[in-house]
Amino acid sequence: GNSVTQMEGPVTLSEEAFLTINCTYTATGYPSLFWYVQYPGEGLQLLLKATKADDKGSNKGFEATYRKETTSFHLEKGSVQVSDSAVYFCAVTQGGSEKLVFGKGMKLTVNP
Amino acid sequence: GAGVSQSPSNKVTEKGKDVELRCDPISGHTALYWYRQSLGQGLEFLIYFQGNSAPDKSGLPSDRFSAERTGGSVSTLTIQRTQQEDSAVYLCASRGSGATPLHFGNGTRLTVT
Repeated sequence: GNSVTQMEGPVTLSEEAFLTINCTYTATGYPSLFWYVQYPGEGLQLLLKATKADDKGSNKGFEATYRKETTSFHLEKGSVQVSDSAVYFCAVTQGGSEKLVFGKGMKLTVNP
Repeated sequence: GAGVSQSPSNKVTEKGKDVELRCDPISGHTALYWYRQSLGQGLEFLIYFQGNSAPDKSGLPSDRFSAERTGGSVSTLTIQRTQQEDSAVYLCASRGSGATPLHFGNGTRLTVT
């Protein structure tokens, strides 16, 4: 089945630093790709998504591009804020199924 | 309610006891998912409902785990004869039709002592 490998961290950055969280996937067919975020004390929520090759998802200053040739969906932000401290999960749809397969998550802490 | 509601938020139980976890999805959402979040393990898929039927229950770890959904709404995840390795946060999510995102509840933290 489909699977996701992502940086596990934890990672600590200073405010305004550049962020990259690597995510690669294995999949059959044409999966959709997602980044979910879990802020402290809150439930998981969708951050951004891309449904086909070369699509770029973006939200809250975060971006990720669906790269079929490298089977990657790396998350980037040019200047992180303290409020970005959270756990970030990469996810891929399972081909032919409604199941969403998640990576193990990466905890990010941003210090002022 | 506006979001996915799960109860209880915390549950401590003794090894060998049965537990029931409840999920109230967003009204009108036809698809409902259960995931388990363990430390260092990420999110593990358990089961998926479309309406009241479960087309994919491949993630249930053992026959001690079962789930049902009634009226196309509330779902209950039951764990029988709990073991310490069942300790985790159990997450429920729902979504509407089409390629809409999952909406997660805040989870039930289960601790088996």
